[in-house]
Amino acid sequence: AQSVAQPEDQVNVAEGNPLTVKCTYSVSGNPYLFWYVQYPNRGLQFLLKYITGDNLVKGSYGFEAEFNKSQTSFHLKKPSALVSDSALYFCAAPMNTGFQKLVFGTGTRLLVSP
Amino acid sequence: SAVISQKPSRDICQRGTSLTIQCQVDSQVTMMFWYRQQPGQSLTLIATANQGSEATYESGFVIDKFPISRPNLTFSTLTVSNMSPEDSSIYLCSVEDRGVEDNEQFFGPGTRLTVL
Repeated sequence: AQSVAQPEDQVNVAEGNPLTVKCTYSVSGNPYLFWYVQYPNRGLQFLLKYITGDNLVKGSYGFEAEFNKSQTSFHLKKPSALVSDSALYFCAAPMNTGFQKLVFGTGTRLLVSP
Repeated sequence: SAVISQKPSRDICQRGTSLTIQCQVDSQVTMMFWYRQQPGQSLTLIATANQGSEATYESGFVIDKFPISRPNLTFSTLTVSNMSPEDSSIYLCSVEDRGVEDNEQFFGPGTRLTVL
């Protein structure tokens, strides 16, 4: 079964510092991976995805993610955190061969302090 | 990108009652999905809402508890039946908008349900 894991419930970082939110995956076949963000009282917003190609994927709001096949990881990164980046971040992968149904990680709360 | 609205945005209900949640999309979409996000937990797929046929439910979810309608390509409803406090969650609908780009899902703002 496809699965993704987010080992950290919460990540704290000071504004201006680089941030990393971790995700590891266990999928059969070619991995397709996604990052979503959920701001308070709002739905999920798509950040970025890895399908094929470059291991470094760039997405919305200055975020990027690095796909590492040997470590089965897809960590989300940003060079300089903003207080407004504080939110709940989810890693996701398709449940099966189609892309429509997603299985989500448990989520990581990012807190960026001023 | 698809714009999705949900009604109600939140509700507080008594146990034993039922609540119907509406999901409206501003464009025709093939695939619509319903997810549940229990407090402090991740999202779990409930079912796929199929237009013109019965919904397809994931393991652990049944039609009697979560009946779904999909009368057309822009609208779906999810009913949470005979509610108990364990049903307190955020319920989100999502769509796959192939008009924009494959492999990308859009989510509605969610319906926050509290069952007393």
